[in-house]
Amino acid sequence: DAGVIQSPRHEVTEMGQEVTLRCKPISGHNSLFWYRQTMMRGLELLIYFNNNVPIDDSGMPEDRFSAKMPNASFSTLKIQPSEPRDSAVYFCASSLGARAKLFFGSGTQLSVL
Amino acid sequence: QQQVKQSPQSLIVQKGGISIINCAYENTAFDYFPWYQQFPGKGPALLIAIRPDVSEKKEGRFTISFNKSAKQFSLHIMDSQPGDSATYFCAARKGDDKIIFGKGTRLHILP
Repeated sequence: DAGVIQSPRHEVTEMGQEVTLRCKPISGHNSLFWYRQTMMRGLELLIYFNNNVPIDDSGMPEDRFSAKMPNASFSTLKIQPSEPRDSAVYFCASSLGARAKLFFGSGTQLSVL
Repeated sequence: QQQVKQSPQSLIVQKGGISIINCAYENTAFDYFPWYQQFPGKGPALLIAIRPDVSEKKEGRFTISFNKSAKQFSLHIMDSQPGDSATYFCAARKGDDKIIFGKGTRLHILP
């Protein structure tokens, strides 16, 4: 199994631009999570899906952030417009059920200038 | 009440020594306490986990000690090796709810 696949690995953009992060979960997993990691705040859960349906988006910082999961094998996290304070590592994780072990991707390092 | 407080923020240990990372929680409804290990440039990966009905769980050189009355749990790494250098996260979860992570401990093992 290839594991959770995220793209791009690195993204550098200018303030105000739209950023789209992509995630392919492990085949057969039905729960998908988006996390943001910073030195100050650690690992924060932004949103999670169960069977492609958003269950908890209370961690999404503001309306500039949106996430979709159009099918079981693909999810996106979009930031529009991006701001320098959005600079962080964004992780996608999947699991077989919300209570099961999380498998993380390698993350997207986002830098907003 | 949803927080998991982790300490220290960073830790340096000599090779062969014992590394100890501590976590505390408030919500007595938490029923699952995992530890995740993260190497640079990688996502966190589950290392070991414990449920509150046991006081200790050991897997190789890694041991979780759990004190339910004090609402604390800790990770002990025996015979620490340079390859153990990583960031460690404690976490907690209640039932089907989301996992709450601590802020992490950056561990460096001196060769």
